[in-house]
Amino acid sequence: DAGVIQSPRHEVTEMGQEVTLRCKPISGHDYLFWYRQTMMRGLELLIYFNNNVPIDDSGMPEDRFSAKMPNASFSTLKIQPSEPRDSAVYFCASSHHPRTGAGEQYFGPGTRLTVT
Amino acid sequence: KNQVEQSPQSLIILEGKNCTLQCNYTVSPFSNLRWYKQDTGRGPVSLTIMTFSENTKSNGRYTATLDADTKQSSLHITASQLSDSASYICVVTINAGNMLTFGGGTRLMVKP
Repeated sequence: DAGVIQSPRHEVTEMGQEVTLRCKPISGHDYLFWYRQTMMRGLELLIYFNNNVPIDDSGMPEDRFSAKMPNASFSTLKIQPSEPRDSAVYFCASSHHPRTGAGEQYFGPGTRLTVT
Repeated sequence: KNQVEQSPQSLIILEGKNCTLQCNYTVSPFSNLRWYKQDTGRGPVSLTIMTFSENTKSNGRYTATLDADTKQSSLHITASQLSDSASYICVVTINAGNMLTFGGGTRLMVKP
């Protein structure tokens, strides 16, 4: 398996523009997570899905952020409108949870977003 | 408030030496504790996962310990290599294990 795939790897955009980040989880994994990492705040969970359904979005910072998972092999994180403080590395991770406990999360390479 | 504190924030050691990274947490109810290694420009990669009933777990030159009573964990790296230079992140999960609380990480630099 190629692992978790994210695109683009780097995105530079101007304030006010819409940004869409994409993720393809590992085949067979039923959980998908979106994280944000900054120097100041470290890694933060934004939202996670189980079987394509959003389970917890309490980490989503504002209404400008939205995430979708239309099928088991694709998810998007959208920021509209983007602001300079959204600049960060956004990671997608996926896992398969065994019945007895939490499964291992596999992270993608991340998308480095810069909003000017 | 659920927190995970790591120390030191950064560490420089010479190649071949051992080191120990610390993690204290106040997360409750505890499900499991993970140590991740994150190379610069890459996503985190899991090193170990421990439940509350496990005291120690090894992965090659990496050995993690857990004291659920004192809510402390450590990651010991033996015979360090240049490739060990990375950030090491302690992560504690609650309940069913889907909600992760991340520590701030320890940035390790191994010098020749």
